[in-house]
Amino acid sequence: GAGVSQSPSNKVTEKGKDVELRCDPISGHTALYWYRQSLGQGLEFLIYFQGNSAPDKSGLPSDRFSAERTGGSVSTLTIQRTQQEDSAVYLCASSPAVGEQYFGPGTRLTVT
Amino acid sequence: TQLLEQSPQFLSIQEGENLTVYCNSSSVFSSLQWYRQEPGEGPVLLVTVVTGGEVKKLKRLTFQFGDARKDSSLHITAAQPGDTGLYLCARSKAAGNKLTFGGGTRVLVKP
Repeated sequence: GAGVSQSPSNKVTEKGKDVELRCDPISGHTALYWYRQSLGQGLEFLIYFQGNSAPDKSGLPSDRFSAERTGGSVSTLTIQRTQQEDSAVYLCASSPAVGEQYFGPGTRLTVT
Repeated sequence: TQLLEQSPQFLSIQEGENLTVYCNSSSVFSSLQWYRQEPGEGPVLLVTVVTGGEVKKLKRLTFQFGDARKDSSLHITAAQPGDTGLYLCARSKAAGNKLTFGGGTRVLVKP
């Protein structure tokens, strides 16, 4: 079976532009997580979806960041008006309601 | 501020040598997880430790959870180049919840 997939694998954008990052979780997994990995900050939690519950957005660094999960499956992380400090690898993970998180390969975002 | 402190940050050794990496916190955790991440990939779960004093073995890897459940270590015996990667410890508040990661230890095993 397929694992978690993310697209694009790499994204280069100009400062001030908006970007959308996509995550396809493992089929049947009810939970989906977004994390960010950067040299200075390590691996940080951003947002968490669990079934039909309201998402836990406590890790989003600013209101320029948002995410949605349509139909309980695919998720999109949107960054508006990108800044250079947004440059990082954005990782998505999915899991059953209780259990191990499986990570995708990440999207490397570079803001120039 | 890292809730989980990992040390050392970087470790370079020759094939066949042993190594130990540490994960420490001032807080008590109900469980702790260890991950390995290779370049261009996401972290992969190696083990979850739950009980204070617990020791788990995974081939040449030995994981210990401190008696007070505030610290953990990962020991690799006779390291191989395939052990090269970023080793991360992490904790979650509850099963299925968000993870908080340590800063990681980057391990390089030279042939």
